[in-house]
Amino acid sequence: LAKTTQPISMDSYEGQEVNITCSHNNIATNDYITWYQQFPSQGPRFIIQGYKTKVTNEVASLFIPADRKSSTLSLPRVSLSDTAVYYCLVGDGVLDYKLSFGAGTTVTVRA
Amino acid sequence: ETGVTQTPRHLVMGMTNKKSLKCEQHLGHNAMYWYKQSAKKPLELMFVYSLEERVENNSVPSRFSPECPNSSHLFLHLHTLQPEDSALYLCASSQGLGFGTDTQYFGPGTRLTVL
Repeated sequence: LAKTTQPISMDSYEGQEVNITCSHNNIATNDYITWYQQFPSQGPRFIIQGYKTKVTNEVASLFIPADRKSSTLSLPRVSLSDTAVYYCLVGDGVLDYKLSFGAGTTVTVRA
Repeated sequence: ETGVTQTPRHLVMGMTNKKSLKCEQHLGHNAMYWYKQSAKKPLELMFVYSLEERVENNSVPSRFSPECPNSSHLFLHLHTLQPEDSALYLCASSQGLGFGTDTQYFGPGTRLTVL
C-alpha cells in the first residue's frame, strides 16, 4: 500500500484558498488518489478523486503532477463551514480492502 | 443525508452487557464496512463485507462480531467490551466490491461509551 503523508494542521481565513498537499512517494501504477472530509462526530464525506493531471468538481480541485508522487487538494474561497479534517487516500482498483485513512489534516478556518 | 443510516446514535453499556449496532444502506451498494474511530485517532477499518461475504477482518477482537444478513443491512454485535472500546463506530457502503477506488458513503456513526 502506498503510504501517505499530510500536514497535521492548517489555519486559514474566510475567503482564502486552502491547498493541502499529500505525499505518496511509493504510489503504484494502478493507484488512485481520493480525498475525504470529516466534520466532528460525523462520518467522512467523499470530496474528489483523481488519477493524474487535474480534476475539478463543484467543491474542490485536485492537482496531480506527472510523477504522481504527491497531490494537492485545493479548496477555493473557504468559509467557516469548511473547518474539518481532510484525508488523502491512495489505493488501487483491485481488492484494496486495507485502504487507510491516516491522521488527516485538520483545517481551521477563522473569520 | 448520505443514504446510510445507523442506530442507535448513542449507546452507553456496561462491560457485561450485550448490544448490537445496526447499519442500513438505501443505495443498492455491494460492499459494507465497519470502522472504529477513537478520540484523536485515525479511522480504523474493522470489517468489510462484499456481496454479503466477509472479506476482511482487520485483527479485531472476538468481542466484536459482525453480521451481514443481506446487502442492505450490517450489524455489529458487542459483548464483554472494555472501556477502551469506547469510540465512534462508523458504517460505510460502496457501489463496488470494496476496491480502493470505490467511493465510500458513511453513516453518522454510533457514539459508544463503555462503563
